[in-house]
Amino acid sequence: QVQLQESGPGLVKPSETLSLTCAVSGGSINNYYWNWIRQSAGKGLEYIGRIYASGSTNYNPSLKSRATMSVDPSKKQFSLNLSSVTAADTAVYYCARSCGSTSCYTQFDTWGQGTLVTVSS
Amino acid sequence: QSALTQPASVSGSPGQSITISCTGTSSDIGSYDIVSWHQQYPGKAPKLIIYDVHRRPSGISNRFSGSRSGNTASLTISGLQAEDEATYYCCAFGGSSTLVMFGGGTKLTVL
Repeated sequence: QVQLQESGPGLVKPSETLSLTCAVSGGSINNYYWNWIRQSAGKGLEYIGRIYASGSTNYNPSLKSRATMSVDPSKKQFSLNLSSVTAADTAVYYCARSCGSTSCYTQFDTWGQGTLVTVSS
Repeated sequence: QSALTQPASVSGSPGQSITISCTGTSSDIGSYDIVSWHQQYPGKAPKLIIYDVHRRPSGISNRFSGSRSGNTASLTISGLQAEDEATYYCCAFGGSSTLVMFGGGTKLTVL
């Protein structure tokens, strides 16, 4: 059974870059989309974007190009960088898996436990 | 403010049925069969319970069912149980200009 585990700093300063990694265990990283979703008290769940094992990406336009995702199939992990963060980016960040079809946008069948990132000086 | 509109709360007694609505627009729920529902307990990650409007993942009880009419998707839980008390989120594809959006969540209380 596939499991996902997020890791990264819990505290990031304003204007800096938030960097998170999600490790995939118990299954293949190939043939799936790998997603980032965040949840804040003020805005609920917000979709950040997804990456395929080949490196193809789709991002939420509302993040205005601040998000960048990468994948390392050899390490079975994928990453999120979110630049120029502000307090509004404080949230629990989840990684999640969805199926490999291009239409599989909301079928998040496996989630990580989530990691809290606080943006503060 | 979420792009998809859900009631903030619903409640029901054990054994009863409840329905949670999720209202979007003709550009998202009304255009694509790409709607999912997720169940979340406090402090835990969401869990997929419905996808593609009405399909259930393996292992999900058939007490959970999904449907859509026009621009509104619905989640129905029949034979309510205490363990169903959680927050439920709808999620839909909004096209390439919007991508994926979530509802604000509905807290279900089992009386």
